[in-house]
Amino acid sequence: GAVVSQHPSWVICKSGTSVKIECRSLDFQATTMFWYRQFPKQSLMLMATSNEGSKATYEQGVEKDKFLINHASLTLSTLTVTSAHPEDSSFYICSAAPGQGETQYFGPGTRLLVL
Amino acid sequence: SQQGEEDPQALSIQEGENATMNCSYKTSINNLQWYRQNSGRGLVHLILIRSNEREKHSGRLRVTLDTSKKSSSLLITASRAADTASYFCATGRAGKETSGSRLTFGEGTQLTVNP
Repeated sequence: GAVVSQHPSWVICKSGTSVKIECRSLDFQATTMFWYRQFPKQSLMLMATSNEGSKATYEQGVEKDKFLINHASLTLSTLTVTSAHPEDSSFYICSAAPGQGETQYFGPGTRLLVL
Repeated sequence: SQQGEEDPQALSIQEGENATMNCSYKTSINNLQWYRQNSGRGLVHLILIRSNEREKHSGRLRVTLDTSKKSSSLLITASRAADTASYFCATGRAGKETSGSRLTFGEGTQLTVNP
C-alpha cells in the first residue's frame, strides 16, 4: 500500500513551453501533497505544500507564477512549470501524506530537461 | 532552507563493514526521518524517530537522536553492495494546516559499499 506515482517519468521540452507533471496517490487519499526539486548530486528542496481544495503554500524564493500547483482532488496534484527555461531542468519529486500521522510517501520523480 | 548537515559527504566501505552517517540540524523538530535514494530514483523511507525517542532499530538499521545536540546518526550494520545509495536525513515539523510533516532535508551522504 501507500503508492505514489508521477507522470511523466521524464520529459524533454523546448525553452518557452509549459510542462505539467502529475502526482497521484494510488491507494490512499492525500490531504496534503508536497513538491520538491533536486539538482544533480544535491539534496531535495521543498518547493511548495498543497492541501486539497486550497491554494498552495510556496517556500521562500519559489515563484508561484512560475510553478503552478493544483491539488484538485484527494488523489491528484499537478505541478506546471510555465515558460520553462534551461535552468528549470531538474528532478521534480512529489510526496503525499494521508490524513493523519507524520509519514509522507514519495513518488519516483520526474526528470525535466529544457533545451 | 536546508537545515540539515550530514557527514561524511561520501563514505566508501567494504561489504560486511558497518557504515555510520551523521546528521545535524538547527531548529526544533517533531521527528527526524532517514531516507535512501538510489541514483536517479525516488526516495525510500527507512525509519522515523520522534523527538521524544533516543534510539530506534529496524533490521540492520540503528538510528539515534540527541535533541540536546540537535544531531542524529544512522548506523547500517553488516553492509551489502545493495546498500550503495545516497542517504538523507530529514527533519519534520508538523504544520498547522497540513497532514504529514513538512520536511527539511540534509545534504546527504553518498555511501558506496564495495563487494
